[in-house]
Amino acid sequence: QQQVKQSPQSLIVQKGGISIINCAYENTAFDYFPWYQQFPGKGPALLIAIRPDVSEKKEGRFTISFNKSAKQFSLHIMDSQPGDSATYFCAAGYSTLTFGKGTMLLVSP
Amino acid sequence: GAVVSQHPSRVICKSGTSVKIECRSLDFQATTMFWYRQFPKQSLMLMATSNEGSKATYEQGVEKDKFLINHASLTLSTLTVTSAHPEDSSFYICSARDRGQSAQHFGDGTRLSIL
Repeated sequence: QQQVKQSPQSLIVQKGGISIINCAYENTAFDYFPWYQQFPGKGPALLIAIRPDVSEKKEGRFTISFNKSAKQFSLHIMDSQPGDSATYFCAAGYSTLTFGKGTMLLVSP
Repeated sequence: GAVVSQHPSRVICKSGTSVKIECRSLDFQATTMFWYRQFPKQSLMLMATSNEGSKATYEQGVEKDKFLINHASLTLSTLTVTSAHPEDSSFYICSARDRGQSAQHFGDGTRLSIL
């Protein structure tokens, strides 16, 4: 019940395209769903987060879509740039966070 | 805002040495701090949760006598890897959370290499 499944494992997107990463959770008690971006040798940086009382949240080029009934949420990166190339982790939880396995995103110039 | 500083960034030491890693919240009070371990190209695995002034809560399978955690102030937590061995080599990352907030803010991690 603590698992968070993330897909795809890796993703290649052309510059200017839309990157989409999906996550699914099992524990209905989870009430906080953040996305983190991690560059090699660095700690994860919080990108955007959502709570289950809203279905979508947008901050700049980053959007979270949340489907409570399906227990799924996704990250959309609009107008993807080479500088967005990194590993992205979804997470879910309440007092502690359970992380997905990560998605390596490569944005080609 | 919400800056977390972790030190040192890299440690290389001999087997049997004890290593201390510091995690500081620079611009907020971290009532709760978390310690994670990350293997290459893998996810973050929570090791323990510490609340200021309380004993840490360890995840299943994490040896509390091996990984000593102290959270003596609202801005500082330390992780001491005691009598480290090569299998303890990993990337250790801390995060901190302010009172009443859900967001965890991460440090830049410590690369520990035990020879």
